[in-house]
Amino acid sequence: SAVISQKPSRDICQRGTSLTIQCQVDSQVTMMFWYRQQPGQSLTLIATANQGSEATYESGFVIDKFPISRPNLTFSTLTVSNMSPEDSSIYLCSARSSGRPEAFFGQGTRLTVV
Amino acid sequence: AQSVSQHNHHVILSEAASLELGCNYSYGGTVNLFWYVQYPGQHLQLLLKYFSGDPLVKGIKGFEAEFIKSKFSFNLRKPSVQWSDTAEYFCAVNAGGANNLFFGTGTRLTVIP
Repeated sequence: SAVISQKPSRDICQRGTSLTIQCQVDSQVTMMFWYRQQPGQSLTLIATANQGSEATYESGFVIDKFPISRPNLTFSTLTVSNMSPEDSSIYLCSARSSGRPEAFFGQGTRLTVV
Repeated sequence: AQSVSQHNHHVILSEAASLELGCNYSYGGTVNLFWYVQYPGQHLQLLLKYFSGDPLVKGIKGFEAEFIKSKFSFNLRKPSVQWSDTAEYFCAVNAGGANNLFFGTGTRLTVIP
């Protein structure tokens, strides 16, 4: 299994600012994903982070709000831009390898926007 | 579109009680099914998975799940729960060639000593 490290683990941010979350995987993986888990709700996929190209966003999520980078096979970042209190949530990095359907998760970043 | 339903939002059991958490999905083709567990303050961990073969799969910590294709279900079971099983449990499905997983809303399990 892959070990995924995310940082920061939590942050409290002022509205209007941006926060970049980092995700590091301990082995090369084919796919990396970013999910959001709002209080009392399930995980919602934000986007698939593609190496060397623009991320693939799900309906309701846009690049201007959630820019994503993936410069190599083991690292990705998610930025939450121009934050508002509605962005308060847990953001999760996930990864899986080709041919193996199971996914592994980081510990999440708990974001509170005030 | 794929969807996953977990009908139990919060389950409270006494230690040694038996557990069954329901999970239904909506996809008619080949599916990969998962149960993940999130212990308080920890990250999501894979509990068990079904890809093919024997529909009764066994996972870690004495958990098992049964895939019933005709019912589009993948219920999680444990014959005797422990206080340490207190956690949030998520059912997830990967189907139709999608790269990502679709998750249910989760079931919070509280085990009373």
